[in-house]
Amino acid sequence: AQSVSQHNHHVILSEAASLELGCNYSYGGTVNLFWYVQYPGQHLQLLLKYFSGDPLVKGIKGFEAEFIKSKFSFNLRKPSVQWSDTAEYFCAVSPTSGTYKYIFGTGTRLKVLA
Amino acid sequence: GAGVSQSPSNKVTEKGKDVELRCDPISGHTALYWYRQSLGQGLEFLIYFQGNSAPDKSGLPSDRFSAERTGGSVSTLTIQRTQQEDSAVYLCASSEGPQGYEQYFGPGTRLTVT
Repeated sequence: AQSVSQHNHHVILSEAASLELGCNYSYGGTVNLFWYVQYPGQHLQLLLKYFSGDPLVKGIKGFEAEFIKSKFSFNLRKPSVQWSDTAEYFCAVSPTSGTYKYIFGTGTRLKVLA
Repeated sequence: GAGVSQSPSNKVTEKGKDVELRCDPISGHTALYWYRQSLGQGLEFLIYFQGNSAPDKSGLPSDRFSAERTGGSVSTLTIQRTQQEDSAVYLCASSEGPQGYEQYFGPGTRLTVT
């Protein structure tokens, strides 16, 4: 079955700490990959996406993610977090054929301490 | 410009009643998605519209759930004979197209079935 796993459900960091959030997916075909973020009181919004090409993609606010095809992973990273990064982060995959579904992970709640 | 809007923002209903949830997508977006987010869960795909047709209804959990889209714009999600397990946040998203386009999310409708 198609699935997305986010292993870290809650993460607490101090400002300036480095961040890495794990995302692994289960799907046999080609996928597009996304990270969405939901800041407190706001809508879900796109952080970054990977379709093809360079497996290291850069998004907004200094975030980046690396697609490792052999590991079916798309981990999100930021070298130095800020208090304003406190939010819930969702990894999602969209198969490129056969279905129109987007499959989301359960999310990771990040709290950054000032 | 205007984003995706949903109404009502909150709905409390008694078990067994029917409810109708509305989504107004971004003007010109041909693709529209409905998701359900239960407490502690990720986003669960319900249905995808391309224009007025729904080529992927695979996520609808039972025949109590139905959705339609008219004029390639507004969509309504109807839940008949609501059950307590239907309590969740129902999210709508629109995009310029399927499979890889950025999805723009609405604020959601929080449904509580008592």
